[in-house]
Amino acid sequence: NAGVTQTPKFQVLKTGQSMTLQCAQDMNHEYMSWYRQDPGMGLRLIHYSVGAGITDQGEVPNGYNVSRSTTEDFPLRLLSAAPSQTSVYFCASSYSLGQGANEQYFGPGTRLTVT
Amino acid sequence: GESVGLHLPTLSVQEGDNSIINCAYSNSASDYFIWYKQESGKGPQFIIDIRSNMDKRQGQRVTVLLNKTVKHLSLQIAATQPGDSAVYFCAENAGGTSYGKLTFGQGTILTVHP
Repeated sequence: NAGVTQTPKFQVLKTGQSMTLQCAQDMNHEYMSWYRQDPGMGLRLIHYSVGAGITDQGEVPNGYNVSRSTTEDFPLRLLSAAPSQTSVYFCASSYSLGQGANEQYFGPGTRLTVT
Repeated sequence: GESVGLHLPTLSVQEGDNSIINCAYSNSASDYFIWYKQESGKGPQFIIDIRSNMDKRQGQRVTVLLNKTVKHLSLQIAATQPGDSAVYFCAENAGGTSYGKLTFGQGTILTVHP
């Protein structure tokens, strides 16, 4: 299994440009999430999905869109990039271990710079 | 404007010592807790987890302790090695309809000196 894969690894955007960060997992996990990590901070949840066709907002959803058309893929779209979106983005997937429990597997991250 | 990045707590130990990393969580409804290790330039890596119906869980060289009364979590690493140097995060999950929603702590930088 490749686990969780993310592309691209690095990206530089100009303010106002749009782009899509790709995330895929081959573990047949139901749950997928997007986080951002700013310098010296923990991860903050952007959007998450509990299954194909179902998404919901996390802590910091503004400026981002997601969709989940398949179990494997969970792309994150930046609609109009802003310097405040400069960050490292992590995608994660998980399976349920029972009520209230799931272990998340993280991808390697996409380092995004918006100028 | 953007907030300035915080200075993470740091812990420096000698190789072979035991390390204890602490974490305070905020949500009394959280019922599942995870410790992650993040090495430079990589995504977080699962270390150990614990459910709220337990107060201690042991893994290989690691032990997690949970004190729900004071909402405190700790990670103990036995015989710390240079390869353990990383940033360690605790995360909590409120379960129920919150599957996949983890709230992360700030993180602690662990440095192990040979």
